[in-house]
Amino acid sequence: GQQLNQSPQSMFIQEGEDVSMNCTSSSIFNTWLWYKQDPGEGPVLLIALYKAGELTSNGRLTAQFGITRKDSFLNISASIPSDVGIYFCAGSYNNNDMRFGAGTRLTVKP
Amino acid sequence: SQTIHQWPATLVQPVGSPLSLECTVEGTSNPNLYWYRQAAGRGLQLLFYSVGIGQISSEVPQNLSASRPQDRQFILSSKKLLLSDSGFYLCAWRGGGGYTFGSGTRLTVV
Repeated sequence: GQQLNQSPQSMFIQEGEDVSMNCTSSSIFNTWLWYKQDPGEGPVLLIALYKAGELTSNGRLTAQFGITRKDSFLNISASIPSDVGIYFCAGSYNNNDMRFGAGTRLTVKP
Repeated sequence: SQTIHQWPATLVQPVGSPLSLECTVEGTSNPNLYWYRQAAGRGLQLLFYSVGIGQISSEVPQNLSASRPQDRQFILSSKKLLLSDSGFYLCAWRGGGGYTFGSGTRLTVV
């Protein structure tokens, strides 16, 4: 089935640095979601985007729904050790067909 | 409030044995329910989704099947497990602004 291209695959950063990751799709979406997964747990929704061009923040996290409706990015500012985990983007056109990126594994060094 | 329960949390099964993973949702009616599989270090692969009792859509041909005997119950099964069925299985329902995931079942086939 259709997949999203998420990059980077992994990131190793120093505490306090900013992080940026993105997802692209070959087709347009009506919804973009960003999740975080801690080890051994299910993904938890961070930010949901429903409108092209929408820019939404959740604390130190900011995500945008690309104007073309084929991409989205997630930024994390001033990273802290508890930001460690796998971040997934997800997109859908009709909400019954949510597709996930392969994930970005974030490591934050104190 | 809506909650999703998934069990067991971990399972070790021999090759050729049957499988039954259960997922239930509380606090909502007629939810869209989903089964995903996550291989180690990989993204989420949609296996099945259901929009109502007895209605199952399969995304990929495989050794697994799904059933929805009740409105808020979604079951993932196999008659004979393969080594390649090992992974982290996640149940989700569509709600809460996006997809809400259960805590997952880690299946190891030995």
